[in-house]
Formats: sequence, structure tokens, C-alpha cells
Amino acid sequence: DAGVIQSPRHEVTEMGQEVTLRCKPISGHDYLFWYRQTMMRGLELLIYFNNNVPIDDSGMPEDRFSAKMPNASFSTLKIQPSEPRDSAVYFCASSSNRFYGYTFGSGTRLTVV
Amino acid sequence: GENVEQHPSTLSVQEGDSAVIKCTYSDSASNYFPWYKQELGKGPQLIIDIRSNVGEKKDQRIAVTLNKTAKHFSLHITETQPEDSAVYFCAASENTGNQFYFGTGTSLTVIP
Repeated sequence: DAGVIQSPRHEVTEMGQEVTLRCKPISGHDYLFWYRQTMMRGLELLIYFNNNVPIDDSGMPEDRFSAKMPNASFSTLKIQPSEPRDSAVYFCASSSNRFYGYTFGSGTRLTVV
Repeated sequence: GENVEQHPSTLSVQEGDSAVIKCTYSDSASNYFPWYKQELGKGPQLIIDIRSNVGEKKDQRIAVTLNKTAKHFSLHITETQPEDSAVYFCAASENTGNQFYFGTGTSLTVIP
């Protein structure tokens, strides 16, 4: 298995633009998680899905952030409009269990200028 | 909610020496404690975990200890090698909650 695949690896965008981050989980994993990592706040859970259904989005910072999982093999995290404070590394992780055996992707480094 | 504190934030050791990273947690209901290793440009990778019904767990050069009474757990790496250099994160969760709570990370440098 190729692991959790995220794209793009790096994204530089101007303030106000829409940004879409993509994730392909490991086949057979029915939990998918989106995390954000910054120096100031460390790793923060944004949202997680179970069987393609959003279960907890309490970590999504504000309405500018949205996430979807249209099928078991694909998820997106969208920021519209983007702001400089959204600059961070965004990780997707998948698991066959809510807590055990997370596999993280390599992340998307987002820079909003 | 849970609060996980991790120390030290940076740690340098000579190759072959041992490294110890410590974490404390606040929620006595927490019962699962994983450790993740993050290499530069990569996502965190699970390296070892422990559940609250166990006091210690070993996997080759890595061990984790848990003291439920004091609410702290530690990662021990023996005979360190340069490839152990990375950022290490502890985390805590309880199985009726919604998420892990991660520590702030320890940047370990092993000096050849």
C-alpha cells in the first residue's frame, strides 16, 4: 500500500484565494482525520470522518474551512477565503480504528501571502 | 478537556547514550498513550503505544513507561543512533472521547 497520499505537497497562495487540499486514505481504513500543525499550537484535530460521514468538526477554526469526503477513497479540505494565519502544515491521517494505528500522510505545507 | 505537557522541548545526546522524554496528562480517564516520531518533511509515525492496564512496554531500543497515579508517561530510547534524530510527540486519549491530545513535541538530536 502506498500509504496516505496528500496533494499538493506545497501550496503558496495569495490572501483571499480559495485553497483545496486533497487526501487519499489507506484502502480499508474507515476513519479519516484532518490535522493542522503550527509552531504555536502544535498538532490540532480539525475534523474527522467515519465511513465518509463527518463525526466531529469542532476543531474547524471558522466557517472559511470546510471538509468533504464524497467516497471512501477521497477527502478534501477547503479554505475560502484564505488568510495568512492559515499558513501551516495540514496532515491527513487514516485508521481502521478511532484511536489506534493512525497512519499520517506527508502533509501539505500551505503558505498564504 | 485533556492537557498534555511534554518535556524537554529540545534534547541533544551523544550517539550511544540514552534519551528520555516525559509527558504528563490531566484527565484521569485517559487510557491510551501513543508516541509518534516525525522526521523532517514527513508526517508523524506511530512508534510505540501503551494502554492504561500496562505499566511498561518495550520494542527493541524503545520503551514506554506509564505511571497512572502520577499521570505521567515517558519514552526511553537506548543506544541512540543518528537516525533517531527527529521530533517526538506524545499523546493521550480515552476511548469514549473524540480525539487525541498531543504534546508540543521534543526535537531530539543524536550527535555522531
